[in-house]
Amino acid sequence: AQKVTQTQTSISVVEKTTVTMDCVYETRDSSYFLFWYKQTASGEIVFLIRQDSYKKENATVGHYSLNFQKPKSSIGLIITATQIEDSAVYFCAMREGWTGGYKVVFGSGTRLLVSP
Amino acid sequence: EAAVTQSPRNKVAVTGGKVTLSCNQTNNHNNMYWYRQDTGHGLRLIHYSYGAGSTEKGDIPDGYKASRPSQENFSLILELATPSQTSVYFCASGDAALGGLVAETLYFGSGTRLTVL
Repeated sequence: AQKVTQTQTSISVVEKTTVTMDCVYETRDSSYFLFWYKQTASGEIVFLIRQDSYKKENATVGHYSLNFQKPKSSIGLIITATQIEDSAVYFCAMREGWTGGYKVVFGSGTRLLVSP
Repeated sequence: EAAVTQSPRNKVAVTGGKVTLSCNQTNNHNNMYWYRQDTGHGLRLIHYSYGAGSTEKGDIPDGYKASRPSQENFSLILELATPSQTSVYFCASGDAALGGLVAETLYFGSGTRLTVL
């Protein structure tokens, strides 16, 4: 069964610095998709960025980028020049193929606190 | 803009009672999901659906049923609610095409806070 693990429960940084959040996954499929979602203080959950397993280039969207290390089954989220409003809970997620039932499963989340 | 609406926003139920959580999406997405969020566990998948008439078990389906009567609506049913089902429940719709391994972005509702006394 597919599994997504986030070991960092919480991270605190000073604004304008760079932070990396870790995520490792388990899958039996050769092709899959990895995602990061953000949950704001209001509880809203929104999609941030995606990495397709067959792509070697790391995805980048705005000040979010990914560090995809396929041999290590790892997909880290990097936030550069952090802002106060980046304070949130960040979830890593994966969508597999038929071995995983094509469903999307999530990790336990990492809470990021950005302070002035 | 994708829109997923959950009702009710808050619900207090008694142990042994029946609870129905509703979800409506106007995105015309095939896939819909129910997750529960608990501290330390993140988002755990309860049931999901590929389209009207279909329901699939997720990772923690025990004690829950799901119903997808139409493309737009997906309900989560607790036939005999227990205090352990106290949680925040999120519904989401996914934009993947029917069948096949493709990327899928999920659009979440605002959540339902359920308390079972």
